[in-house]
Amino acid sequence: DIQMTQSPSSLSASVGDRVTITCRASQSISSYLNWYQQKPGKAPKLLIYTTSSLQSGVPSTFSGSGSGTDFTLTISSLQPEDFATYYCQQSYSAPLTFGGGTRLEIK
Amino acid sequence: QLQLVESGGGVVQPGRSLRLSCAASGFSLSNNGMHWVRQAPGKGLEWVAFISYDGNNKYYGDSVKGRFTISSDNSKNTLYLQMSSLRAEDTAVYFCAKDPLYQGSGSWYFDYWGQGTLVTVSS
Repeated sequence: DIQMTQSPSSLSASVGDRVTITCRASQSISSYLNWYQQKPGKAPKLLIYTTSSLQSGVPSTFSGSGSGTDFTLTISSLQPEDFATYYCQQSYSAPLTFGGGTRLEIK
Repeated sequence: QLQLVESGGGVVQPGRSLRLSCAASGFSLSNNGMHWVRQAPGKGLEWVAFISYDGNNKYYGDSVKGRFTISSDNSKNTLYLQMSSLRAEDTAVYFCAKDPLYQGSGSWYFDYWGQGTLVTVSS
């Protein structure tokens, strides 16, 4: 199985900050990496698919990059509604696996 | 408007069975593959199972293989997860989620999610 490791596991930041979350795969997954946002008590929401494609309706302040084993999610200017938990997920092969999550908190 | 609504969760004793349902609207299950994903209380996300748009291909996570069965009834536009030999570690919110690929083998990610249904396995 492909292991996905996210860092950091938690992060404190302020509105307007630029934030980067990292996701590392245990083997190459090409560009088959996706990012989700989850708020407490809610279902996850797709933000970015196949490394850098922005899901419809997602603000352009979100962007993704990377390839192979190392990927990043960047939020260019944090908004109040961005404070949530973020997960990466590989779609290269079954079983599909997620990173452990990054909790983004208000400083 | 696309919508996924799960039901069937509840409290069940270890070793017993339970069936979850996911009613889809706004699209047809005969056109898209579907997934189940779960989340234990306070924990991260775990993929459970996938069924292709035509029902011919099914895949399972290692922790549920041989105990859980995914199926769909396209006439009712409803997805199911039959869970048997339940264990305490199966306690989680179970989400159904749509695969975005139209009539293909699956893109293996999730573009729409239901609100989830809680399954608690406890004596």
